[in-house]
Amino acid sequence: GGIITQTPKFLIGQEGQKLTLKCQQNFNHDTMYWYRQDSGKGLRLIYYSITENDLQKGDLSEGYDASREKKSSFSLTVTSAQKNEMAVFLCASSIGGNYAEQFFGPGTRLTVL
Amino acid sequence: GQQVQQSPASLVLQEGENAELQCNFSTSLNSMQWFYQRPGGSLVSLFYNPSGTKHSGRLTSTTVIKERRSSLHISSSQTTDSGTYLCAPSEGADRLTFGKGTQLIIQP
Repeated sequence: GGIITQTPKFLIGQEGQKLTLKCQQNFNHDTMYWYRQDSGKGLRLIYYSITENDLQKGDLSEGYDASREKKSSFSLTVTSAQKNEMAVFLCASSIGGNYAEQFFGPGTRLTVL
Repeated sequence: GQQVQQSPASLVLQEGENAELQCNFSTSLNSMQWFYQRPGGSLVSLFYNPSGTKHSGRLTSTTVIKERRSSLHISSSQTTDSGTYLCAPSEGADRLTFGKGTQLIIQP
């Protein structure tokens, strides 16, 4: 087994601020994902990465940057936080290839004042 | 792209009753995953079930690809089963599309 850790657990920012969220996994999985969860809208894919230094845009990539410098870690940057924004950001990983089962971290809850 | 519809949106049952949750999807399927989420909690994978029927304790997942549907059955529900259940089909191996979930409330 393995685990996915996300830091920080809670993130409070100011409008216009650049904010970075981090994710680590020890499954030795190839593929990692960032999702955003808003109340009433389900999960939406922001970015994913199939290997170290690879980045693929999801459905919601505008306003975000991502970085996969190591196989075990995947970071997400909110380039300019929007006022009154509230969402949970979830990181996930999977083995990759044709096997799509994903495992999720505990999430980072973002509040923008 | 993949469209996902979960029903019902919410379901209230008495402890001991059975729950049946449905997930309908619009395009071909590579995989189907069911998740459980408590309020404020992360997603716990219940089943990875691209086709056929799988069992885990009181839970059963059935995916019928030709009919573009998957179901999650919970037998003898308990108050601790309360939470949101999400289905997530995948057309390819690299991304899931999530439904909006079924909120299940089990009353004692």
